[in-house]
Amino acid sequence: DAKTTQPNSMESNEEEPVHLPCNHSTISGTDYIHWYRQLPSQGPEYVIHGLTSNVNNRMASLAIAEDRKSSTLILHRATLRDAAVYYCILINDYKLSFGAGTTVTVRA
Amino acid sequence: KAGVTQTPRYLIKTRGQQVTLSCSPISGHRSVSWYQQTPGQGLQFLFEYFSETQRNKGNFPGRFSGRQFSNSRSEMNVSTLELGDSALYLCASSRTQGGSYEQYFGPGTRLTVT
Repeated sequence: DAKTTQPNSMESNEEEPVHLPCNHSTISGTDYIHWYRQLPSQGPEYVIHGLTSNVNNRMASLAIAEDRKSSTLILHRATLRDAAVYYCILINDYKLSFGAGTTVTVRA
Repeated sequence: KAGVTQTPRYLIKTRGQQVTLSCSPISGHRSVSWYQQTPGQGLQFLFEYFSETQRNKGNFPGRFSGRQFSNSRSEMNVSTLELGDSALYLCASSRTQGGSYEQYFGPGTRLTVT
């Protein structure tokens, strides 16, 4: 399985943007980049995914490097409800391989 | 649209017993995956079913098994329970297999083995 590397933790202030990096240097041409987050005491929640182009949705933006070896999840204005563990995952077929993720703390 | 449902939400079993967990996917979703989450190992993939066929399996012993019915509902069974099987078991559904589709997770079943 292609692996991803994320920082263990990040802190942000409420209403400020959060940029979560992810390195995936062994990504293959058909791997999709997915982001999920897990709030305390809940199952993981889909955030966004992309293949080559940058993507935006109501939750976040995904910026993908031109060589696809890294990506960045952008939360435009962090709220207290965004405090969670964020997972960057590569998916080629149907199997999600979760790493340790990045624990995001949002300060009021 | 109703989300993924899992039953039961909490379960306490004794070592050596067996347990069956149930997952109902989102209507129209044909792929169901199972994951185990523990504090030490994090989220680990168990297996995935699509159209009643197991398409992939993680690195778990044969005590862990599953099946999918024609209505896409899925069950997971763990036989001869061990203390280390205590975990949150998560089910996720997707419209189809493939990296271009997102997975939707249920709330999980918290299994405690004593």
